[in-house]
Amino acid sequence: AQTVTQSQPEMSVQEAETVTLSCTYDTSESNYYLFWYKQPPSRQMILVIRQEAYKQQNATENRFSVNFQKAAKSFSLKISDSQLGDTAMYFCASLPTQGGSEKLVFGKGTKLTVNP
Amino acid sequence: DTGVSQDPRHKITKRGQNVTFRCDPISEHNRLYWYRQTLGQGPEFLTYFQNEAQLEKSRLLSDRFSAERPKGSFSTLEIQRTEQGDSAMYLCASSLFGQGGFFGQGTRLTVV
Repeated sequence: AQTVTQSQPEMSVQEAETVTLSCTYDTSESNYYLFWYKQPPSRQMILVIRQEAYKQQNATENRFSVNFQKAAKSFSLKISDSQLGDTAMYFCASLPTQGGSEKLVFGKGTKLTVNP
Repeated sequence: DTGVSQDPRHKITKRGQNVTFRCDPISEHNRLYWYRQTLGQGPEFLTYFQNEAQLEKSRLLSDRFSAERPKGSFSTLEIQRTEQGDSAMYLCASSLFGQGGFFGQGTRLTVV
């Protein structure tokens, strides 16, 4: 079974600065996907970034980028030039694609607060 | 496309009553998922459809829970004889292969 661990329950950052959220995962799958989702207070879950495990190149989406270390099973999210609207819960998730089970496995989340 | 739509957004029910939630996925998506999220936790998988076939159901799901996706379009999640422990946010997501899931706004269930 896959597991996802987010070791930072809460983090804070000043507006315009950079912050990195940590995530480690455990899987026996050879192919899988990794995701970061953002969930603002009382609002819906939004996909931030997606990484295919067989691709070595780290995914980027505007101010969001990941550091994917496959051997270490680490998948951290870097937010550059933090904005007040980045305040949210951030969830790391894995998605196996083999063995017939295709469900997201989420970590417990990191609550990020961006301070003015 | 307007995204994944869930109805109702909020539901308050008395213990022992049955409730049904609806999810309308993004039209071209063949995969549809139901997750449950309690306060301060990440979503937990409940069940998954590929087209109209229910391919996986969590062991967390008791026999009081049932889900359908007739004709591979919208899906319903029914909870029979609700209990206070069923109080949670119920999330629906849809996707194509490898996309993870695009989520709806959820249905918040409160059992009193």
